[in-house]
Amino acid sequence: QKEVEQNSGPLSVPEGAIASLNCTYSDRGSQSFFWYRQYSGKSPELIMFIYSNGDKEDGRFTAQLNKASQYVSLLIRDSQPSDSATYLCAVNSKVEGAQKLVFGQGTRLTINP
Amino acid sequence: DGGITQSPKYLFRKEGQNVTLSCEQNLNHDAMYWYRQDPGQGLRLIYYSQIVNDFQKGDIAEGYSVSREKKESFPLTVTSAQKNPTAFYLCASSMISGNTEAFFGQGTRLTVV
Repeated sequence: QKEVEQNSGPLSVPEGAIASLNCTYSDRGSQSFFWYRQYSGKSPELIMFIYSNGDKEDGRFTAQLNKASQYVSLLIRDSQPSDSATYLCAVNSKVEGAQKLVFGQGTRLTINP
Repeated sequence: DGGITQSPKYLFRKEGQNVTLSCEQNLNHDAMYWYRQDPGQGLRLIYYSQIVNDFQKGDIAEGYSVSREKKESFPLTVTSAQKNPTAFYLCASSMISGNTEAFFGQGTRLTVV
């Protein structure tokens, strides 16, 4: 089982609709969860982070965390063509006292005008 | 301006040659990471370092080496032992390893011919 799993997509959503991106993780001890956006050929940029169970909203973006189910999601409301990108879920994981940041394989999102 | 700088942006090398990728940050971050990204794939962790003079292997460390002699610098050497070195290499840093957001450099695209 991979440490962090995402559906690689592609996920196609019409402009103005809600895009829902999902991520599961294997380490029950994980405490920090991040969503990054990556445009083709560019480096990832942070969109959201979440540490506690529940929802966290920032503008059009909402991150949702359920530690019991080991599940984290990202909702994008009123999707715009500029939201078309690959979305990477990242989770911290502790191995022999060292903390590392593990990424999923990413979900490619396309917003159709 | 504070940030993380990778150089060069593009690098070409002949098969069998070692090559070193530079990564410098002036964010005063303790933790630094190296990831590899192949086309259409997520980020795979090569090495990470929580503090100066200490580093840990990630998931795909074979054929790579690093050093962390200064807080600001975390160079990655791709050795001739790495069987398929052509990839996009991303360096990142964070205040505390794993638990805080990671900032990325612009990446180095390495092509071995």
